[in-house]
Amino acid sequence: AQKVTQAQTEISVVEKEDVTLDCVYETRDTTYYLFWYKQPPSGELVFLIRRNSFDEQNEISGRYSWNFQKSTSSFNFTITASQVVDSAVYFCALSDYNTDKLIFGTGTRLQVFP
Amino acid sequence: EAGVAQSPRYKIIEKRQSVAFWCNPISGHATLYWYQQILGQGPKLLIQFQNNGVVDDSQLPKDRFSAERLKGVDSTLKIQPAKLEDSAVYLCASSSQGSTVLYEQYFGPGTRLTVT
Repeated sequence: AQKVTQAQTEISVVEKEDVTLDCVYETRDTTYYLFWYKQPPSGELVFLIRRNSFDEQNEISGRYSWNFQKSTSSFNFTITASQVVDSAVYFCALSDYNTDKLIFGTGTRLQVFP
Repeated sequence: EAGVAQSPRYKIIEKRQSVAFWCNPISGHATLYWYQQILGQGPKLLIQFQNNGVVDDSQLPKDRFSAERLKGVDSTLKIQPAKLEDSAVYLCASSSQGSTVLYEQYFGPGTRLTVT
């Protein structure tokens, strides 16, 4: 069965601190995709990244970076030099070719204080 | 490009009442999804449409929930009668095609339902 675990319910940091959001997943499929979404207070989920199971290269996009490790079934998300605008709930999600559905974790609420 | 539109944004009803939510997907998107997001949880798929046909409604409580997508564009999700546990945010999403692994889903702002 598919499952996504985000153990951190809430994280609070001060602006300019680095912060890492953890994501651990379970799937029996060998071909799958992992996603991160941001949900700001306005409510809509904003797509951040999609990574397939065959590509373990880390990715960096501006202040955002993602670390995918199949050996530990983790897909962690780091924000460098956090800003107040990063305050939101962040969801990790999983989809595979077998179910072709997005399975979301419970989310991590990030609060960045000035 | 206009995003996914949803209305109303907020709704408060009493249990056993009926309620309907409306979604207008991104123009040209063939696939439309309805998700339920209970407070403190991640979104859960309720139903997926491909054009005006249902692809997956396995997690839709069909005794009280119904959804339709007439003409393969707008969609309506209805709850009748509502229960307290239906209090949640109802998110609509659309994508150009139906494969979740291949095509990005774009989400609307959601409708926050409170059942008292």
